[in-house]
This record gives sequence, C-alpha cells and structure tokens, in this order.
Amino acid sequence: GDSVTQMEGPVTLSEEAFLTINCTYTATGYPSLFWYVQYPGEGLQLLLKATKADDKGSNKGFEATYRKETTSFHLEKGSVQVSDSAVYFCALAFNFGNEKLTFGTGTRLTIIP
Amino acid sequence: DTGVSQDPRHKITKRGQNVTFRCDPISEHNRLYWYRQTLGQGPEFLTYFQNEAQLEKSRLLSDRFSAERPKGSFSTLEIQRTEQGDSAMYLCASSQQSGQPQHFGDGTRLSIL
Repeated sequence: GDSVTQMEGPVTLSEEAFLTINCTYTATGYPSLFWYVQYPGEGLQLLLKATKADDKGSNKGFEATYRKETTSFHLEKGSVQVSDSAVYFCALAFNFGNEKLTFGTGTRLTIIP
Repeated sequence: DTGVSQDPRHKITKRGQNVTFRCDPISEHNRLYWYRQTLGQGPEFLTYFQNEAQLEKSRLLSDRFSAERPKGSFSTLEIQRTEQGDSAMYLCASSQQSGQPQHFGDGTRLSIL
C-alpha cells in the first residue's frame, strides 16, 4: 500500500541554522504531496503542497520540491527561528488531496536560541 | 471561515462505555474526513464522506465504530464498548471537492480509564 517515510527525530537546531527534514514515499501512481505542521497546543495546519513532479511548494520560508525520480519531498528552510519549533508531518494523497491523506510518523523540531 | 470545529475537546470515560464525537466542517466543504492519531505517530485515516455518502472506511474502523453525516453537514463518530486501545486523538478534516487541501480541527482527545 501507499506509505510515507520521514526522517526520525527529534531534531534540535540552533536559531538561524539550515533545516532539512527528509521525506520519501511509496505509491502506485502520482499523488499530491504535502507538509503539515503542528505547533504546540494547536491543530494540524497545511504548510505547503505540490501536486506534480518538479513542482516546488513554499510558505513561511519553507520549501519542498516534488522529486519523482527519487520519490522524495524533502522540507528545507535556510534559517530557522525559535517559532518554527513544532512537529512536521509529510503526507500524500491522490486526486489533488480530495482523498485520504497518508501521513508519515512526524518529526519533532526544536530550535534553541 | 470559522474553521473545523470538534466537540468535545477532551473525553474521559470508563472502559466499556459508549462515546460520541461531533465535527462541524467549514461551511460549503462537501468532503469530511476522520483520522485517529496516537502518541508519537502520524494521523491514520478512518473514514470519509462526500456530502452524506460514506465513500471509504479503513480496516481500522472496527464494528464498534460508526460514523454518520446525515444531512451532509456535521458528522458524528461513535465508539461502542470502548477499549483501552481506543485512547487517542480523533481528528476531523474537511475540504471542497475542487482540489483544495484538507483543513483540520483541533481534535477530540479520548482517554479510557
């Protein structure tokens, strides 16, 4: 079946460091890919998405590129802030996200000042 | 846009009792999804509706679980004869069929004593 594998955490970085959280997927066909974020005490929020190969999703300084050849959707940010501390989930879904989301296990990110 | 609303936020009950959760989606969103999230894991799909029709159910949804969306607006998720393993966060999400991403509520946390 479809699955998403995320870089295991937790990840701790200093403020202004470069961030990469790895995500790879297994799916039959070509799903849409998503990064969701869960800030402490809050619900899941969509961070960014990409719907086809080579698309780049971006938001709040975060970026991820849909790589069909490596079945990957790695999340990156050039300079992290303390406010980026959260749990990040990679996910896939078909039909542009209108069908069920399949999530990875999540990566907890802590940024220290 | 008032967001997806879930009620209650927390539910504590004894093993063997029945519980019911409610989800109010964003107005005009015709798709509604239920997920379950246990500690340290990503959300897992349970079921989803398009309007009042239940289109897919996960194998996770045992006979003790039932979900309804009678008028195509709010939805309820009932768990009968609760077990310790049912302790989790139950998440609801909604989307428009036009390809917009799923928006999540804050969830209902179920604790079984």
